[in-house]
Amino acid sequence: QSALTQPPSASGSPGQSVTISCTGTSSDIGAYKFVSWYQQHPGKAPKLILYTVSERPSGVPDRFAGSKSGNTASLTVSGLQADDEADYYCSLNGDGNIILFGGGTKLTVL
Amino acid sequence: QVQLQESGPGLVKPSQTLTLTCNVSGASITSGGYYWSWIRQPAGKALEWIGRISINGRSSYNPSLRSRVALSRDASMNQFSLRLSSVTAADTAMYYCAKERVGAGFEQWGQGALVTVSS
Repeated sequence: QSALTQPPSASGSPGQSVTISCTGTSSDIGAYKFVSWYQQHPGKAPKLILYTVSERPSGVPDRFAGSKSGNTASLTVSGLQADDEADYYCSLNGDGNIILFGGGTKLTVL
Repeated sequence: QVQLQESGPGLVKPSQTLTLTCNVSGASITSGGYYWSWIRQPAGKALEWIGRISINGRSSYNPSLRSRVALSRDASMNQFSLRLSSVTAADTAMYYCAKERVGAGFEQWGQGALVTVSS
């Protein structure tokens, strides 16, 4: 199985919304609901911000929202804040107990 | 408060075996509903899942690394370990251990251990 495909970069101004896509195939993203998203600030460990496509762990603001359509999952960050500037990774727990990660997207807050 | 802490040599010679241990506090690695994984990240690159071990000690591995990887656990010490054999410079990375709630992502991560493969 190949890694999931994310755009290398995304950007938005404070207060705006930005959406990051995570594209797979009908055998991975299209077949399973166990998509999660991680935020990683420089020099830090990743932090879980969404699981099972759209569920938020306790403490994650509702400015972070997830969805899935067909073979693509998406993360939308609304009301952009300076601290949202980070790398974002999607992940899938799919077939055969294999975990896939996306290539990561660097989000810049302009 | 669940905490994970990686430990092991920061420098490994090419062709040798990389060994890291993750010490877990605040949760039992034999508790149901969780997996315990290793994930790595070369500098400036993406995350790569290495493998995970379940509460009954069974392991799953990334197919690209399966021939060189072995996970194990010591329930009495509440820790789990990674062995990666025949390392090359391409294995230089930050190595993270993580706690995964079944079907719900990696909810807890260690701070990471930087391993450099060099002679």
